Amino acid sequence: DTEVTQTPKHLVMGMTNKKSLKCEQHMGHRAMYWYKQKAKKPPELMFVYSYEKLSINESVPSRFSPECPNSSLLNLHLHALQPEDSALYLCASSQGEGLQGQKAFFGQGTRLTVV
Amino acid sequence: AQSVTQPDIHITVSEGASLELRCNYSYGATPYLFWYVQSPGQGLQLLLKYFSGDTLVQGIKGFEAEFKRSQSSFNLRKPSVHWSDAAEYFCAVGPYSSNTGKLIFGQGTTLQVKP
Repeated sequence: DTEVTQTPKHLVMGMTNKKSLKCEQHMGHRAMYWYKQKAKKPPELMFVYSYEKLSINESVPSRFSPECPNSSLLNLHLHALQPEDSALYLCASSQGEGLQGQKAFFGQGTRLTVV
Repeated sequence: AQSVTQPDIHITVSEGASLELRCNYSYGATPYLFWYVQSPGQGLQLLLKYFSGDTLVQGIKGFEAEFKRSQSSFNLRKPSVHWSDAAEYFCAVGPYSSNTGKLIFGQGTTLQVKP
């Protein structure tokens, strides 16, 4: 199994809603990442979890709240989002921390639309 | 400042023709270098990576890239393009000596393949 699975694939939410994005991998990877990608732009790192602990937070607004319940799962909790938060949210994993040292696997992403 | 430049925003080639996508980087230390491909609405797939050693790197799907330190370049090449290669291509750089998960991506090059 060399996949990173993200659900849902598409999500439309209102600005007052609370929703969660989910990411799962069964490759035994110990580092997991959230990236945000706006249309026609490169991905931008949001969070890095290493051994289920948050190791990097790239100054992301608190309306985005990551959670790593176990080594296979990564969640991104969303609350009071703004329309400008609409983007493709990508999850990735690698064997150890540091994408540069590993072969990282990316999920297919969740296309989020905030209305 | 650390940066990655992909000078060509959009490239169109005929099927069967050769391809070269340019990537230049600015980095204060020895970098790790990557090429990723992204099909519309999909996640990122790693094509190849360079850490050290032979400066000509072979990747998946018949792609190769050459690291030229003197030119700060890491151009991606393919001798014969297939219609299925149409996608967005991202060059990325990461720190050699640090274990951060942060990759710096270029703005991407959109490849269109004519029949």
